[in-house]
Amino acid sequence: GAGVSQTPSNKVTEKGKYVELRCDPISGHTALYWYRQSLGQGPEFLIYFQGTGAADDSGLPNDRFFAVRPEGSVSTLKIQRTERGDSAVYLCASSLTTGNNEQFFGPGTRLTVL
Amino acid sequence: EDQVTQSPEALRLQEGESSSLNCSYTVSGLRGLFWYRQDPGKGPEFLFTLYSAGEEKEKERLKATLTKKESFLHITAPKPEDSATYLCAVDNYGQNFVFGPGTRLSVLP
Repeated sequence: GAGVSQTPSNKVTEKGKYVELRCDPISGHTALYWYRQSLGQGPEFLIYFQGTGAADDSGLPNDRFFAVRPEGSVSTLKIQRTERGDSAVYLCASSLTTGNNEQFFGPGTRLTVL
Repeated sequence: EDQVTQSPEALRLQEGESSSLNCSYTVSGLRGLFWYRQDPGKGPEFLFTLYSAGEEKEKERLKATLTKKESFLHITAPKPEDSATYLCAVDNYGQNFVFGPGTRLSVLP
């Protein structure tokens, strides 16, 4: 009866390094979302998957950010050449389908870029 | 551009002191409005979904209402364990939710 899980819970990296953040959605949920949350702000949409395909990646800030979901379950958010401004909590959510369904969130990965 | 705002930014209440949080939205279309609770260091936890103006939902000490331009989260006789950040989000027929910045609620014993 697991919820959405994310690993690692914390990641500290140096400017310019590459990082991968993992999300395990609730079993059977076809929609998966990535958000970024800065301190004192609400979650900001990054990318959404329906199955294996990225249905909407309009929230990705630039081409250093990329996400995959090759088998329609686990997703990985990849950030190249990290910058200090990338520091934030990265949240993953899943829902049963798209549309009018509540999204269930994981605990997030706190990324710190030194 | 679709926008969601929340007020107040922060609210301190004494235990038992009822109040309301506001979520105002400007969107091209509203398929649903969602309320979430977020505790420090955790992801948002789903509370309610509202679909149409006039709708109300209740859960323990919380009641959410919806009009055509805003939603209220009423907290009746709050307890310290109700302290959290309360987020609202709208589904604007897009593929994702647009979140407000949240209201940080502190309930003092």
